Amino acid sequence: EVQVVESGGGLVKPGGSLRLSCAASGFTFSKAWMSWVRQAPGRGLEWVGRIKRKTEGGTTDYAAPVKGRFTISRDDSKNTLYLQMNSLKTEDTAVYYCTRMNYYHGMDVWGQGTTVTVSS
Amino acid sequence: DIQMTQSPSSLSASVGDRVTITCRASQSISSSLNWYQQKPGKAPRLLFHSTSSLQSGVPSRFSGSGSGTDFTLTISSLQPEDFAAYYCQQSYSSPLTFGGGTKVEIK
Repeated sequence: EVQVVESGGGLVKPGGSLRLSCAASGFTFSKAWMSWVRQAPGRGLEWVGRIKRKTEGGTTDYAAPVKGRFTISRDDSKNTLYLQMNSLKTEDTAVYYCTRMNYYHGMDVWGQGTTVTVSS
Repeated sequence: DIQMTQSPSSLSASVGDRVTITCRASQSISSSLNWYQQKPGKAPRLLFHSTSSLQSGVPSRFSGSGSGTDFTLTISSLQPEDFAAYYCQQSYSSPLTFGGGTKVEIK
């Protein structure tokens, strides 16, 4: 079964850090572009960023609100995607989804999400 | 950045109704438009990529159309399981951006 499973969410104080993980299975992870998408409580979907596969440089892109604070990385040997979140703000409170991007850059596999709450 | 505007933000409809949701891009995105369905408490599900390419398992009562800046998601005969939120997303250029969503509710 093709799936991704997020972990690592929790409660963190403003200014703190958190690292999310996403374990992939059922597909060739090393060949996939991967993204993170978040959804604040009661709000719509917001793209966080993406990482290309290593054969295409493994480069990353980020949305403006997280650029410079968040870092996406991947460990193809562990079939795992990461989201390192630093200098967290209350407005980063959201459910964070790990997604696989298909060839046309649609997000065709989604995890169940992990909740990040930034509050003092 | 490319802005995506969906309309309406919500609608009420009955089972069997034809429903149309519109998505407009702030600049041309060719056919690089994807649609998602999200039910409460669940992760989104990809319905279409590239405007009109139906994902496996999506019922044929769903259709997508458009190009350039104007796109449409149509449900030909609304079913009880279709009551959900729908989002468009452009994949033409980074940063990828979503529309604000359309919530389809039961009348």
